[in-house]
Amino acid sequence: SQKIEQNSEALNIQEGKTATLTCNYTNYSPAYLQWYRQDPGRGPVFLLLIRENEKEKRKERLKVTFDTTLKQSLFHITASQPADSATYLCALVSSSNTGKLIFGQGTTLQVKP
Amino acid sequence: GAVVSQHPSRVICKSGTSVKIECRSLDFQATTMFWYRQFPKQSLMLMATSNEGSKATYEQGVEKDKFLINHASLTLSTLTVTSAHPEDSSFYICSAKTGANEKLFFGSGTQLSVL
Repeated sequence: SQKIEQNSEALNIQEGKTATLTCNYTNYSPAYLQWYRQDPGRGPVFLLLIRENEKEKRKERLKVTFDTTLKQSLFHITASQPADSATYLCALVSSSNTGKLIFGQGTTLQVKP
Repeated sequence: GAVVSQHPSRVICKSGTSVKIECRSLDFQATTMFWYRQFPKQSLMLMATSNEGSKATYEQGVEKDKFLINHASLTLSTLTVTSAHPEDSSFYICSAKTGANEKLFFGSGTQLSVL
């Protein structure tokens, strides 16, 4: 069966450190993968998109990698700040479907000052 | 950036009543809108996809007669939860995309509580 898995345990790190979140998928062949941020009681906000032919994408303090062999994406936040505390969702589109986004369950990041 | 407005943000209703949730794209034309529901600490579950002027496509297990979706214009989609029951209590979120743009723009969500 198709699965998108993110670490359900909260990630607690110290301010200034790099946070690394993992997204693994099975039985998908995604044309691209996206990362979103969701704050409590709010809708998700788009952060980054990485395509299947891209290895890495950066945006300010954010970096995403995409390994289609391992079927994994890593999401990094460097020089983390307490304001980065939120739930981060990965989402992917299978090249075989209608373009619908399927979301992982999210990983909650807590950055402590 | 593109803004999607969703109303109401919170609604409490009695069991058996119907609730309508509106989703508007404020500064772009939303060719496709998606409706999700989310239970606490769980992922967003896609309920249905709607394209302007056509009937919505529902995901497996979602009752189309219970969750009525209307996408009458390129800027407005509505979700009506008919004859709501306590098990329908959830966080409902709409999202919109335009043309070939792959990213989604989300509304701020509606917390529905059915008593």
